[in-house]
Amino acid sequence: GQNIDQPTEMTATEGAIVQINCTYQTSGFNGLFWYQQHAGEAPTFLSYNVLDGLEEKGRFSSFLSRSKGYSYLLLKELQMKDSASYLCAVMDSNYQLIWGAGTKLIIKP
Amino acid sequence: NAGVTQTPKFRVLKTGQSMTLLCAQDMNHEYMYWYRQDPGMGLRLIHYSVGEGTTAKGEVPDGYNVSRLKKQNFLLGLESAAPSQTSVYFCASSDGQGAETQYFGPGTRLLVL
Repeated sequence: GQNIDQPTEMTATEGAIVQINCTYQTSGFNGLFWYQQHAGEAPTFLSYNVLDGLEEKGRFSSFLSRSKGYSYLLLKELQMKDSASYLCAVMDSNYQLIWGAGTKLIIKP
Repeated sequence: NAGVTQTPKFRVLKTGQSMTLLCAQDMNHEYMYWYRQDPGMGLRLIHYSVGEGTTAKGEVPDGYNVSRLKKQNFLLGLESAAPSQTSVYFCASSDGQGAETQYFGPGTRLLVL
């Protein structure tokens, strides 16, 4: 079966750095997405990786290793507004997104 | 430019009742999707459409029907609501497959009693 694993919850301090990991087992691979979802709101796109390596976008970076079935999202200089759930999703061979359950990130002052 | 909108925002149904959820997008996207989101689980694809007049089943299609009569609209119908269909329903659209970002609507919270 297809499976996306990510931690259920993480806590970090304002101004610090946090890494959210995602491992996957899917039938085929056509890219990995990270979305941010604030409580009660819609998911919004953060990043996309299809080749191995690091993609940097401001305070957020995303890394992919296809051979290990592994990705992480790195958030730097954490702000209170970064408190949200972070969803990892893999596009499978049918071009359908398989979603992880999300990691709830709690930022403390 | 409103993006993706959903109607209604919240609804309570009794078991056996039917309803239709409406999704509209103004980005001229070809692809549209209906997902459900339940606590502790990832988003699950119910149905999707790759263009006007087309629909296809996703991962959890049972108990739902869809229609895409106009490019900008994607309707999700519950024929006979069951408590297991209590969920948050999200509509999304994208310009294509692959690297194309999916843009989500604000969601519809459905409670089936």
